Amino acid sequence: DAGITQSPRYKITETGRQVTLMCHQTWSHSYMFWYRQDLGHGLRLIYYSAAADITDKGEVPDGYVVSRSKTENFPLTLESATRSQTSVYFCASSEPGLGRTEAFFGQGTRLTVV
Amino acid sequence: QKEVEQDPGPLSVPEGAIVSLNCTYSNSAFQYFMWYRQYSRKGPELLMYTYSSGNKEDGRFTAQVDKSSKYISLFIRDSQPSDSATYLCAIGYGNNRLAFGKGNQVVVIP
Repeated sequence: DAGITQSPRYKITETGRQVTLMCHQTWSHSYMFWYRQDLGHGLRLIYYSAAADITDKGEVPDGYVVSRSKTENFPLTLESATRSQTSVYFCASSEPGLGRTEAFFGQGTRLTVV
Repeated sequence: QKEVEQDPGPLSVPEGAIVSLNCTYSNSAFQYFMWYRQYSRKGPELLMYTYSSGNKEDGRFTAQVDKSSKYISLFIRDSQPSDSATYLCAIGYGNNRLAFGKGNQVVVIP
């Protein structure tokens, strides 16, 4: 199916553990993004990527690592999970063209750090 | 100061009412304005997109942008229970990034 897929949908992990959230898109969009959504903060950009092997920090990058070796995949790694990283994580993709910047979102990964 | 401000208070309206939502933004260089709708436990989905001042209509939805006041609005006419969702304003800026407001949870009561 075409679209953007995140896995897992739900994850519980312990403080200090490394965890990787996966994101896969089938549109071959150039741009991919990771956002976190928290009550009181809305959606905040963690990292983004303009193309394979090009990544850059967003608003809240501390504690996260990303890579993008292939256009279609954009995994997000929490190197040593903390309780403050309990959140809903959304991956998104977009393609620049005609000035449009709308992004298409995955269904989200609900991460709980205990 | 966050670049996009949206009063995150919940909103409950009776079916058939007009829903009015709004956001303000600080950077006059912003050019692209969007409204996303997010159902519970789902990802946001694009509802309306505009890049110019004025109104844009799509069925029961109207997006309004006033660049001179840095103010964007969304109106939902004849609201339906299926419109119950969180509505997020978003503004596009460099490298296809989006800055989001905090969102408004709307409940339409049958």
